[in-house]
Amino acid sequence: AQKITQTQPGMFVQEKEAVTLDCTYDTSDPSYGLFWYKQPSSGEMIFLIYQGSYDQQNATEGRYSLNFQKARKSANLVISASQLGDSAMYFCAMSPTWGGNTPLVFGKGTRLSVIA
Amino acid sequence: DADVTQTPRNRITKTGKRIMLECSQTKGHDRMYWYRQDPGLGLRLIYYSFDVKDINKGEISDGYSVSRQAQAKFSLSLESAIPNQTALYFCATSESDRSKEQYFGPGTRLTVT
Repeated sequence: AQKITQTQPGMFVQEKEAVTLDCTYDTSDPSYGLFWYKQPSSGEMIFLIYQGSYDQQNATEGRYSLNFQKARKSANLVISASQLGDSAMYFCAMSPTWGGNTPLVFGKGTRLSVIA
Repeated sequence: DADVTQTPRNRITKTGKRIMLECSQTKGHDRMYWYRQDPGLGLRLIYYSFDVKDINKGEISDGYSVSRQAQAKFSLSLESAIPNQTALYFCATSESDRSKEQYFGPGTRLTVT
């Protein structure tokens, strides 16, 4: 069975600083996908970034990058130049296939607070 | 208009009542999912459907049933609501082939008193 672990229930970061949100995963499948979603206080789930297990390069989307270390089974989210609007819950998730076309397994989330 | 809509957005109901949460999508996706979010537990899968004739149980299906009325519609029912079903419920969709994202609806906040 697949499992996602997010060990940081809450984190604080100063505005304009970079922050890393930790995510480790467990799977015996060679093919899988890793996702990060953002949930602001309004409640919606916003897709941030995706990494496939066979992707050679770390995924990047604007200020978001995914630090994928396959041997360590980690998929940390790095947010550069934090903004007040980045304050939210962040969920790491994985799928048992390359892509999001199967049910996702989610971690418990990390609440990020950006301080002015 | 939103691609994935959920109705109602908020609902308060009493223990023992039957309630249906509805999800509609205009993305043309075959695959649809229902997740439940409880504080501190992340999202957990209730049911999923890969097409109209394919329905599958998820991790926490007990106490729930679903209906896939059409490609675009996937409803979740609580036959006899209980207080520990108080949660935020999300519907999501995805393409059948490789896609990098599941698209989530805005969520339904359900309170069972």
